[in-house]
Amino acid sequence: GNSVTQMEGPVTLSEEAFLTINCTYTATGYPSLFWYVQYPGEGLQLLLKATKADDKGSNKGFEATYRKETTSFHLEKGSVQVSDSAVYFCALGNNAGNMLTFGGGTRLMVKP
Amino acid sequence: GAVVSQHPSRVICKSGTSVKIECRSLDFQATTMFWYRQFPKQSLMLMATSNEGSKATYEQGVEKDKFLINHASLTLSTLTVTSAHPEDSSFYICSAREGAQTYNEQFFGPGTRLTVL
Repeated sequence: GNSVTQMEGPVTLSEEAFLTINCTYTATGYPSLFWYVQYPGEGLQLLLKATKADDKGSNKGFEATYRKETTSFHLEKGSVQVSDSAVYFCALGNNAGNMLTFGGGTRLMVKP
Repeated sequence: GAVVSQHPSRVICKSGTSVKIECRSLDFQATTMFWYRQFPKQSLMLMATSNEGSKATYEQGVEKDKFLINHASLTLSTLTVTSAHPEDSSFYICSAREGAQTYNEQFFGPGTRLTVL
């Protein structure tokens, strides 16, 4: 079956630090990969996605590349801000973001 | 993006009581709604899928008599945890999708934290 593994948090960084949140997956077929973000008190929001191998999803300074050879979709940002503090979920599913399998979530805390 | 709300955001109840959680789509008609459950430090797990006006489809291992889902309108679905016990304590998240087609994006609510004493 499908599964997603992401690094446990919390991840605590200072403002302007480089961020990496690791995500690896196992899947049958050719899933699409997603990163969702959940800010305090809000619902999960789609941050970025990639639908095929070697695709790079990007949004708000965050990037992730669909690596089929390493079955990974690591989230990166060059310079984090306090406002990036949230919980980040890696997921796989179909192109539209349905039939999702989620990772456990990683809490990011950015300190000024 | 589309907005989905949940009410209440937190609820504490005594063992044996029933708790109802509401999920509303605020600016679109949600033909399909999903209910997820998340234990601490674990993934969101899909519990059930409901289409407006029909019975919910439950995932394997989810007791349908324990977790009653009603999707009576295009903007509201409810999850009732019947005779709640401490092991039902969890974070419940709903999502909603306009239409039944799996190519339409789903939008998530903020979740409801249930604590059963």
